[in-house]
Amino acid sequence: EPEVTQTPSHQVTQMGQEVILRCVPISNHLYFYWYRQILGQKVEFLVSFYNNEISEKSEIFDDQFSVERPDGSNFTLKIRSTKLEDSAMYFCARGTGIGANVLTFGAGSRLTVL
Amino acid sequence: DAKTTQPNSMESNEEEPVHLPCNHSTISGTDYIHWYRQLPSQGPEYVIHGLTSNVNNRMASLAIAEDRKSSTLILHRATLRDAAVYYCILRDRAGNNRKLIWGLGTSLAVNP
Repeated sequence: EPEVTQTPSHQVTQMGQEVILRCVPISNHLYFYWYRQILGQKVEFLVSFYNNEISEKSEIFDDQFSVERPDGSNFTLKIRSTKLEDSAMYFCARGTGIGANVLTFGAGSRLTVL
Repeated sequence: DAKTTQPNSMESNEEEPVHLPCNHSTISGTDYIHWYRQLPSQGPEYVIHGLTSNVNNRMASLAIAEDRKSSTLILHRATLRDAAVYYCILRDRAGNNRKLIWGLGTSLAVNP
């Protein structure tokens, strides 16, 4: 299957600014995920999205975060007012295989908040 | 969430087999054992998964203990490209909880 494409590959922003990270996974998949990885730390689950609704979110995914699938193909993660600690790699993934049991990840978007 | 324990790091020589262990003593009957890897500066990549029986695919083999409390990822002939962090993750096959809970994994170095 085609890979998951994420844009931008790297974004630098000022603290307090809004950021939108995009993911193009293919429109006929139902399960999508956002994960993040702060430099040198574990990969952390943010949110899962099933059938155009949030199915689960972590404590990290507070009111500053939102996800959308605006046009049935793109899948976006928005951070409304970025903080320094939001600096991380953000990975989009889709569920594939039988029962969507396997995750296919994008290459990630590196967010640097100054 | 059920947890896994892996060695922090391992080292191998190119073209030799590598056995990456994982302990998951609190595994439940509905947990699949998944392995992912993350090459430097890349997103995680699926390697293999299994439930009870040993599994083989083009990338690796997965040997699962009879009591399912441990498993071993086997790379039959390591290449330089296999240098990565390998994550052993338990994933509940039941219900809608499909998130992956990541540990620190095993950092595999492959010597030429």
